[in-house]
Amino acid sequence: AQTVTQSQPEMSVQEAETVTLSCTYDTSENNYYLFWYKQPPSRQMILVIRQEAYKQQNATENRFSVNFQKAAKSFSLKISDSQLGDTAMYFCAFGFGNEKLTFGTGTRLTIIP
Amino acid sequence: NAGVTQTPKFQVLKTGQSMTLQCAQDMNHNSMYWYRQDPGMGLRLIYYSASEGTTDKGEVPNGYNVSRLNKREFSLRLESAAPSQTSVYFCASSESPGGIYEQYFGPGTRLTVT
Repeated sequence: AQTVTQSQPEMSVQEAETVTLSCTYDTSENNYYLFWYKQPPSRQMILVIRQEAYKQQNATENRFSVNFQKAAKSFSLKISDSQLGDTAMYFCAFGFGNEKLTFGTGTRLTIIP
Repeated sequence: NAGVTQTPKFQVLKTGQSMTLQCAQDMNHNSMYWYRQDPGMGLRLIYYSASEGTTDKGEVPNGYNVSRLNKREFSLRLESAAPSQTSVYFCASSESPGGIYEQYFGPGTRLTVT
């Protein structure tokens, strides 16, 4: 069974700074997908970014980028120029084949004005 | 497009009462899911439906039943609510089953069982 670990329950950073959220996973699979979901105070889960394991290039979406280290089974999310609207819970998730997504326990990120 | 909708948004039940959470999606997705979210536990899968007419147990199915009414609708039923079922419940859908497809989530239902 796959496991996803987010070791930082809470983080805070000043507005406009850069913050990195950690995620590690355990799997014996070779082809899989990794996701970061954001859950703001409204509770609505929103996909932030997705990475295919077979791609060496790290995914980026505007201010959001990942550092994908396949050998280390690490998938961190970097938020640049953080904004107040980035305040949310962030969940890392793992998926492959026809299996369901496995979610981490989340990191609560607070952006301080 | 409304995406994934859930009703109700909030509910308070007494122990032993029953209720059904409703979920509908308008994206023509094949797969639908029910999760519960508890503090410090992340999202845990209760049941899922890979396609219309099929349902399967997830990680925490005890105390719940589901019905895939049609391609659009997937309901979750608590037959005899218990305080341990106090949680936030999310419905999600995806184009097809499997870990490669993005899941789209509803706004959640906050359920309190007293």
